[in-house]
Amino acid sequence: QKEVEQNSGPLSVPEGAIASLNCTYSDRGSQSFFWYRQYSGKSPELIMFIYSNGDKEDGRFTAQLNKASQYVSLLIRDSQPSDSATYLCALRISSGSARQLTFGSGTQLTVLP
Amino acid sequence: DAGITQSPRHKVTETGTPVTLRCHQTENHRYMYWYRQDPGHGLRLIHYSYGVKDTDKGEVSDGYSVSRSKTEDFLLTLESATSSQTSVYFCAISESALKKGNQPQHFGDGTRLSIL
Repeated sequence: QKEVEQNSGPLSVPEGAIASLNCTYSDRGSQSFFWYRQYSGKSPELIMFIYSNGDKEDGRFTAQLNKASQYVSLLIRDSQPSDSATYLCALRISSGSARQLTFGSGTQLTVLP
Repeated sequence: DAGITQSPRHKVTETGTPVTLRCHQTENHRYMYWYRQDPGHGLRLIHYSYGVKDTDKGEVSDGYSVSRSKTEDFLLTLESATSSQTSVYFCAISESALKKGNQPQHFGDGTRLSIL
């Protein structure tokens, strides 16, 4: 079982809709969860991070963390074509070095005009 | 944007030749990382550094070595490149892992390496 799993997609949503991206993880002791966005041919850029159970909102983005069910999700409200990218989930697993992040393979999102 | 510069941005070389990639940062961050990214595998950690001359192995370190003689520079060397090392290589930096919640990593623009 992979430590971090994401549906590779592609996930397609119409412009203006809510895009929901999910990430599950196997290490129950994981802390510090991050969402990165990566445009084709570009480097990953940090969108947001979450450490505590519940929701964290930043503009059109909401991260949701449920440690009991071992998943973290990213909601994108009012999706725009410019949101079309691959979204990477990353987390710090408890068994690894405090300095390391483990990444999922990413979910490709396409927002249709 | 975080001040991270990777060089070269693109390189094509032959199997068996040595290759060195450079990551330079202007943020004075303590932690530096080298990842490779391949289709279907996501980002995989090769090596990382937690200070000058302090380095450790990541998930896919075989065939790679690193050095950090200055805070701002982190070098990745492929001693004898193989075709399986064809990939996109990203450098990342992080201010500190000791602060509450762990600081995020910020990435350079990447180096596209092709080994023929």
